[in-house]
Amino acid sequence: SAVISQKPSRDICQRGTSLTIQCQVDSQVTMMFWYRQQPGQSLTLIATANQGSEATYESGFVIDKFPISRPNLTFSTLTVSNMSPEDSSIYLCSPELAKDNQQFFGPGTRLTVL
Amino acid sequence: QKEVEQNSGPLSVPEGAIASLNCTYSDRGSQSFFWYRQYSGKSPELIMSIYSNGDKEDGRFTAQLNKASQYVSLLIRDSQPSDSATYLCAVLTGGGSNYKLTFGKGTLLTVNP
Repeated sequence: SAVISQKPSRDICQRGTSLTIQCQVDSQVTMMFWYRQQPGQSLTLIATANQGSEATYESGFVIDKFPISRPNLTFSTLTVSNMSPEDSSIYLCSPELAKDNQQFFGPGTRLTVL
Repeated sequence: QKEVEQNSGPLSVPEGAIASLNCTYSDRGSQSFFWYRQYSGKSPELIMSIYSNGDKEDGRFTAQLNKASQYVSLLIRDSQPSDSATYLCAVLTGGGSNYKLTFGKGTLLTVNP
């Protein structure tokens, strides 16, 4: 499976600010998935990002709040904008499915909003 | 709304026992099923995948799939304290370039020494 890294690994932010999370993969992938895991909850897909096109957002998530960039086939960013305490979560990136439809996750970014 | 349901637990078993984790899903068209293990503060780790009815064994882990009943389970034999984690069931829905992995809420497993 691909080696996936994320930056930052964790951050504590003030309400109203924005944070950009970076995801780097060691191989070229067409699609990148961004998930959120709120405290005590399971993973929820935020959006799917293809290189060269706009990201596709799941119900309940909008581009103004979670803009995504996909400048090349190994890198993506997710920005959490105008943060509130409800945005405190672990954010995870995941490249497209590997062999046998398996999906692997980055180490995650733990965000706390005060 | 495609759903994946799991017993939330917590499930507590003694060391050496068999832990049984269950999952049901709503989308009859699903073809790929996964179990992830997630330690506290870490990201999910894929431990088992299953695609056809029956059992699939990998070491101490056995995944079971029954598509007619829309049921997936994970058995952990000879449970160890290091198996204590949250186990997430995930189901792949959709096809082509339009697919999505839907997760259950997870079952917290505690293995007591």
